[in-house]
Amino acid sequence: EAGVAQSPRYKIIEKRQSVAFWCNPISGHATLYWYQQILGQGPKLLIQFQNNGVVDDSQLPKDRFSAERLKGVDSTLKIQPAKLEDSAVYLCASSSLGPGDTQYFGPGTRLTVL
Amino acid sequence: GIQVEQSPPDLILQEGANSTLRCNFSDSVNNLQWFHQNPWGQLINLFYIPSGTKQNGRLSATTVATERYSLLYISSSQTTDSGVYFCAVGNIGSSGGSNYKLTFGKGTLLTVNP
Repeated sequence: EAGVAQSPRYKIIEKRQSVAFWCNPISGHATLYWYQQILGQGPKLLIQFQNNGVVDDSQLPKDRFSAERLKGVDSTLKIQPAKLEDSAVYLCASSSLGPGDTQYFGPGTRLTVL
Repeated sequence: GIQVEQSPPDLILQEGANSTLRCNFSDSVNNLQWFHQNPWGQLINLFYIPSGTKQNGRLSATTVATERYSLLYISSSQTTDSGVYFCAVGNIGSSGGSNYKLTFGKGTLLTVNP
């Protein structure tokens, strides 16, 4: 079974530029998560989708971050405009529908904002 | 929200040694996972263990939900065990339903020397 796929793996941009990340979850997983991991810290949830609806986006900086999950499968996370403090690894995870199900993580996208 | 504390923050072992990592959490949970983040940043599921004891090879984990802690045991450590170990917990949010996001601790950085 294929795991969670993410692209690109690395991205370097200058501040005020825009960037987008893509995630393809494990086939059949209804729930998809985007996490931000700053160096030296644990991942922090940005947004959670169930199918194509948003369940939790309370920690998403909505003035600059946006995310969508069209058709309930793939998802994109966008930052516009980027700030220096957005430098982090962006992790996508997915899980089956059900309370407390195991989350499986993709390899992440390492973003550097100069 | 739930608070998650992991100890120790750093641990250095000689190959072959045993170790115990601890995770304390501040509220009842219906999801607890242990992850290993390898040097390339990939989060690898070790255990889904909201309660009870599980073993997988040289690794085992115990969660005592009533006392709000979990332990990860690594026996006969190997250099490939090096990396950061994260505990992550979740419970159904106040809105109920499927809002069971994971909150991560800050991790334990394990270094196993040959």
